[in-house]
Amino acid sequence: EDKVVQSPLSLVVHEGDTVTLNCSYEVTNFRSLLWYKQEKKAPTFLFMLTSSGIEKKSGRLSSILDKKELFSILNITATQTGDSAIYLCAGDTNAGKSTFGDGTTLTVKP
Amino acid sequence: GAVVSQHPSRVICKSGTSVKIECRSLDFQATTMFWYRQFPKKSLMLMATSNEGSKATYEQGVEKDKFLINHASLTLSTLTVTSAHPEDSSFYICSARVISNGYTFGSGTRLTVV
Repeated sequence: EDKVVQSPLSLVVHEGDTVTLNCSYEVTNFRSLLWYKQEKKAPTFLFMLTSSGIEKKSGRLSSILDKKELFSILNITATQTGDSAIYLCAGDTNAGKSTFGDGTTLTVKP
Repeated sequence: GAVVSQHPSRVICKSGTSVKIECRSLDFQATTMFWYRQFPKKSLMLMATSNEGSKATYEQGVEKDKFLINHASLTLSTLTVTSAHPEDSSFYICSARVISNGYTFGSGTRLTVV
């Protein structure tokens, strides 16, 4: 059975801090690792990682995948209160099926 | 960008009634739509995969007769919760794959069965 584990489950930081969110996966027929941000409703797409070692960046967010260790991290630098959300990672298969982790709830205090 | 429109966003129904949730891909064709359920403070649990013009594929433990999925066209997939019970109360959300950009989600439906 496919499994995705995220850590920590929750995190409280202050504005300006840098955070690292972790995601490990065991997914058969793995295709890509996906990161999402979920605030009140639907998750919004952040990154799709397919190749090892290639960092993807979007503003203060960046992510990288290690396919040997079956691991990915999501970094957020200079955090802001608007970064407070649940961050989900998902392992995607060749069949297009995604298995989600339980998410990391990030709270950024002013 | 690719948008999936989901409605209703919120529905309250009586026990024993059926509720239909629709997901439409607005500016692209979704041959496959994924239906998830999310419990409070929990992650998304895949319920079924709907394929345009064929039967849906259900995940283990999901009752096919209870959660009816129809994918009649390339832009519309529906999930009907039949004979709803309070334990069916949950957040239901659909998603479709967008090539090179992961998946795009509908805005979700909060179902409350009273």
